Amino acid sequence: RKEVEQDPGPFNVPEGATVAFNCTYSNSASQSFFWYRQDCRKEPKLLMSVYSSGNEDGRFTAQLNRASQYISLLIRDSKLSDSATYLCAVIGSWGKFQFGAGTQVVVTP
Amino acid sequence: NAGVTQTPKFRILKIGQSMTLQCAQDMNHNYMYWYRQDPGMGLKLIYYSVGAGITDKGEVPNGYNVSRSTTEDFPLRLELAAPSQTSVYFCASSRTGMKTSGNTIYFGEGSWLTVV
Repeated sequence: RKEVEQDPGPFNVPEGATVAFNCTYSNSASQSFFWYRQDCRKEPKLLMSVYSSGNEDGRFTAQLNRASQYISLLIRDSKLSDSATYLCAVIGSWGKFQFGAGTQVVVTP
Repeated sequence: NAGVTQTPKFRILKIGQSMTLQCAQDMNHNYMYWYRQDPGMGLKLIYYSVGAGITDKGEVPNGYNVSRSTTEDFPLRLELAAPSQTSVYFCASSRTGMKTSGNTIYFGEGSWLTVV
């Protein structure tokens, strides 16, 4: 089993709609969680950290569910510019960052 | 604001040639990583380092070597290049692996390598 797993998608979302997707992790001792955004042929860039209490940054909301070992990302009022691949990252064993394979989101007009 | 710097950005290699991808960070980060990303796929960890003099294998280390003689530099060596090594390579760094405020991983812009 992979340490960090994501639904690859694509999630096809009409502009203005809401989309949500999860990322599961296998190491229950994982401490820190993040969502990264990656545009085609570009390096991943930090979208937001995920805190235990959940957190929001504009149209983006991240949640952590330790009991079920997953994090989620919700995008409200989707924009065309939200089209990208969203990678979850976990600080796992040995303290190193581990990434999921990414979830592709395609926002359509 | 250099952050993580990778060179070269693009390179074409012939089968059997060798080369080194350079990576440097100026943030005094302990952890450094090399990932490869094939088209339409996720990041795969090649090697990582938790500090100068310490390196360890990731998921896909075969065909690669690394060294970490200084905190700043983490070069990736490809020996006897093969077409299967055609990929985009990302170097990255993070402060520590511990949960600390503001800790995150920073990526270089990537190195596009084609082996023909």
